[in-house]
Amino acid sequence: KAGVTQTPRYLIKTRGQQVTLSCSPISGHRSVSWYQQTPGQGLQFLFEYFSETQRNKGNFPGRFSGRQFSNSRSEMNVSTLELGDSALYLCASQVGPTNTGELFFGEGSRLTVL
Amino acid sequence: KQEVTQIPAALSVPEGENLVLNCSFTDSAIYNLQWFRQDPGKGLTSLLLIQSSQREQTSGRLNASLDKSSGRSTLYIAASQPGDSATYLCAVHGSNYKLTFGKGTLLTVNP
Repeated sequence: KAGVTQTPRYLIKTRGQQVTLSCSPISGHRSVSWYQQTPGQGLQFLFEYFSETQRNKGNFPGRFSGRQFSNSRSEMNVSTLELGDSALYLCASQVGPTNTGELFFGEGSRLTVL
Repeated sequence: KQEVTQIPAALSVPEGENLVLNCSFTDSAIYNLQWFRQDPGKGLTSLLLIQSSQREQTSGRLNASLDKSSGRSTLYIAASQPGDSATYLCAVHGSNYKLTFGKGTLLTVNP
């Protein structure tokens, strides 16, 4: 059974550009959540989708957005990149809504903003 | 606002030692608590999930306990091995449906 797949694994952008990250959950999982990990702030919740609907959102500016498709795959987008957006972006999936079961994480997408 | 604290921030032990990692949280209204390990540059691997109605969970050499009323969880690792070296994170699912992580404990097991 394939795990959570995130693409791309590594990418380098410059300030002002935008980036789109993709996450394919484990087959049968309908909930996808996104997290930002930095050395200073640790892991912070970005947003969560269940059945194509955003159920929850963390405390990030509007430059961070996401969506989920009918096949449960999810994308997140960051516009007008800033140096501080450099981080490891992790996606997690689970079968149902996030308060019910075990979360499974992907390997992450490491974004470097120059 | 839920806050999760992990103590110690780093721990170095000789191989074979039993050890305990601590996690505390400020809001006891939680759905569950999950322990993860993270190897350098990698994603998170789920170790144990404890529902709010449970007191402990066990998997192999790992045992996690939960005391919701006092806002504490512990992860006990028996007979530690060098392969256990990693960062261990606890995360709490709160009543606001958000997952809040601690900063982690960096464990080094020396051969």
